[in-house]
Amino acid sequence: QVQLVQSGAEVKKPGSSVQVSCKASGDTFSSYGISWVRQAPGQGLEWMGRIIPIRDIVNYAQKFQGRVTITADKSTGTAYMELSSLRSEDTAVYYCARGGYCSGGSCYHFDYWGQGTLVTVSS
Amino acid sequence: QSALTQPRSVSGSPGQSVTISCTGTSSDVGGYNYVSWYQQHPGKAPKLMIYDVTKRPSGVPDRFSGSKSGNTASLTISGLQAEDEADYYCCSYAGTYTLEVFGTGTKVTVL
Repeated sequence: QVQLVQSGAEVKKPGSSVQVSCKASGDTFSSYGISWVRQAPGQGLEWMGRIIPIRDIVNYAQKFQGRVTITADKSTGTAYMELSSLRSEDTAVYYCARGGYCSGGSCYHFDYWGQGTLVTVSS
Repeated sequence: QSALTQPRSVSGSPGQSVTISCTGTSSDVGGYNYVSWYQQHPGKAPKLMIYDVTKRPSGVPDRFSGSKSGNTASLTISGLQAEDEADYYCCSYAGTYTLEVFGTGTKVTVL
């Protein structure tokens, strides 16, 4: 059973940074990519970027280039998303999801999702 | 990269069929057979319903089907049920630079 378990809710000041973690079970890190998707209150889904741990490849959506950093600790099976220079518009639920890559195939979809982490940016 | 265009809402009575469109460009929907669809109930994480335009993951009812013509993909829900009331999002691969782009989302209401 694949599970993605994310860290808890955060409240941050404008201009600061936040790091959200996502611990994966199963063979996720050895065969799949992990993407990060966010959803502002009442808004749609927005893809932020992905990491392919087994290949040490990271890609970011143009909108977040320079402000987001996605990393992975292969020893613990945990992915991280850090967003800097936070502003009120970054208030959202941040999801990690398995997909965007799978070894031996083309997996441009997200089959398992974390429970989401609410990040609130407020002064 | 702009979001894919979906209707804001669609509705239908139980047992009816509804179709949600997802319009992109030749750089995303029209260029690849990598369109996926997600169902999201309030306060919940999205759930994969369709991938690679027409494929259904194990456990997803066969009432859900996907198709694509040109730059527009579609999700059809046949035999609408009360539990199908949710938000639905399409997503498409958009090449090695942009990678993934989501649709604007559609609220499905069961009357």
